[in-house]
Amino acid sequence: SQTIHQWPATLVQPVGSPLSLECTVEGTSNPNLYWYRQAAGRGLQLLFYSVGIGQISSEVPQNLSASRPQDRQFILSSKKLLLSDSGFYLCAWGTGASQETQYFGPGTRLLVL
Amino acid sequence: GENVEQHPSTLSVQEGDSAVIKCTYSDSASNYFPWYKQELGKRPQLIIDIRSNVGEKKDQRIAVTLNKTAKHFSLHITETQPEDSAVYFCAARVTGNQFYFGTGTSLTVIP
Repeated sequence: SQTIHQWPATLVQPVGSPLSLECTVEGTSNPNLYWYRQAAGRGLQLLFYSVGIGQISSEVPQNLSASRPQDRQFILSSKKLLLSDSGFYLCAWGTGASQETQYFGPGTRLLVL
Repeated sequence: GENVEQHPSTLSVQEGDSAVIKCTYSDSASNYFPWYKQELGKRPQLIIDIRSNVGEKKDQRIAVTLNKTAKHFSLHITETQPEDSAVYFCAARVTGNQFYFGTGTSLTVIP
């Protein structure tokens, strides 16, 4: 069965510091991978998605970037964090097939101070 | 692109009553509609989904209906229990790789 991991689970970072969040998927090949951000009490904002190694689509212009160095690895980065980057970051995977769902990882709670 | 609207944003029901959450979408090419339940501090979990060639789907106390003509779909929870309290998200998928989410409904079941 498929499993999705995210780390770290929680992170407290000062403004202006760099960020690296990692997501890995087990038990599947060539998944679609997604990064979402959820502000406190808010909905899901799609940040990036990837259909393959090195292929990244950005949905919202911001100071974040994403990379997919391996088939089942998706990384979210920032060179300088802003206060507004605080939130719950969720990675998700899907098969890419039509009419198939996506599954979320456990999330990383980021607090920028 | 697709636009998904979800109502109500908050919903309180007495234990044992039914709860209904409605979503509308804009792109007639959308063909897959999942519903997620998110408990406080946890990840969204898929609870039920429906594909565009089906009008209704039921799983125990949970059911989803789809009206393709009107471009809306609804989640129905019967005999609600306190553990049903959570935030519920609807989503729509157009042919492609993106999912478009509603803004969420915070459901509270009052014992």
